Amino acid sequence: EVQLLESGGALVRPGGSLRLSCAASGFTFSDYAMTWVRQAPGKGLEWVSTISHNGGGTNYADSVKGRFFISRDNSKNTLFLQMNTLTPADTAVYYCAANWHCDYWGQGALVTVS
Amino acid sequence: DVVLTQSPLSQPATLGQPASISCRSSEIFVHSNGDTYLNWFQQRPGQSPRRLIYKVSNRDSGVPDRFSGSGSGTDFTLKISRVEAEDVGVYYCMQSTHWPHTFGQGTKLEIK
Repeated sequence: EVQLLESGGALVRPGGSLRLSCAASGFTFSDYAMTWVRQAPGKGLEWVSTISHNGGGTNYADSVKGRFFISRDNSKNTLFLQMNTLTPADTAVYYCAANWHCDYWGQGALVTVS
Repeated sequence: DVVLTQSPLSQPATLGQPASISCRSSEIFVHSNGDTYLNWFQQRPGQSPRRLIYKVSNRDSGVPDRFSGSGSGTDFTLKISRVEAEDVGVYYCMQSTHWPHTFGQGTKLEIK
């Protein structure tokens, strides 16, 4: 069974930094691209970033480009999202999802910037 | 960016009756491999999203066959043949062909 477990969500001050993690199991992690999607309170889904299966390629939404950095450790089946220079607009539940096309989703991690 | 516009934004549905949601794109988004990566997701209240349909019309494993996807070009549709109480939630379309990947605004399905 595919499992994605996000961690690292927290309350952070504007201008601060935070790193989210997503532990994957139940599939061959190193074969899959991975994606972060966020959802602001009461709002819709917003694609944030995707990384290729080997970490060689990354893509970012304009809203986070230059502030957020996606990475992965295939030896530990873990995906990361380093978030810098946070603003209140970044307040959201952050989901990790498997593949370019979001085949499977985690339960989400709440990031509050205030 | 590819803009996806869903309609309606609120869909009152009757149990046992069909329902459909439209997703219209600002442009055609066919990948160089010939596939159209249009996905549909369901988000039940208090839950994470779950993918129902990928590449326009392919149902994910475990998705009831009352859900179907269709369309081409810039017009896509998610249909529920007979609405059940467990179908309540918000439905999103998403294109994952071109960067940045984009979602529709979401359609809230509720029971009348």
